[in-house]
Amino acid sequence: SQQGEEDPQALSIQEGENATMNCSYKTSINNLQWYRQNSGRGLVHLILIRSNEREKHSGRLRVTLDTSKKSSSLLITASRAADTASYFCATRGYNTNAGKSTFGDGTTLTVKP
Amino acid sequence: KAGVTQTPRYLIKTRGQQVTLSCSPISGHRSVSWYQQTPGQGLQFLFEYFSETQRNKGNFPGRFSGRQFSNSRSEMNVSTLELGDSALYLCASSPEPPGQGHIQYFGAGTRLSVL
Repeated sequence: SQQGEEDPQALSIQEGENATMNCSYKTSINNLQWYRQNSGRGLVHLILIRSNEREKHSGRLRVTLDTSKKSSSLLITASRAADTASYFCATRGYNTNAGKSTFGDGTTLTVKP
Repeated sequence: KAGVTQTPRYLIKTRGQQVTLSCSPISGHRSVSWYQQTPGQGLQFLFEYFSETQRNKGNFPGRFSGRQFSNSRSEMNVSTLELGDSALYLCASSPEPPGQGHIQYFGAGTRLSVL
């Protein structure tokens, strides 16, 4: 199964509201990243948080990481219709032979204007 | 700077055929990874190359193979196509070697349909 699992699978909100997505993972990680994917397109990197960090901000995005619970959350504040997309968390391990990203199943966010 | 370029964007093949997909990374990036994305399985890691060497491989059958050239461009090949190989194939490049927690820059993908 995938290392990362997002929750919820789908989220529908009104423009201006905040959206929170959660990600859980199973093994020790070097870092955790969040990506966005618009329908049928490639992924766009949003933010990276290292295992020794607890919170990170980038514009309207806020990411938290709790390594004791093996979980992370992505908060998008003051959402816009353009935020409609699928959001994925991805983890990378410490082992150099495991230098691949393992993606979760994603949360599909719909922001209604 | 040009982004990651994948060609072709769309491809239709029939069962039993083989296919080659191409990926040109961002200039200066030496690490290239490939992923398969399907509605049922999500994003699955295929391979990761760095300086023409395969550093990591996912759990895919031997029908899936890849390579990286000296200019960092990469190709992946799928032989004896099956219906289940229909997917969006994504390529990602990075300026750092594997294992250093790098950010990946993705191409728009190649949509493969196997009939």
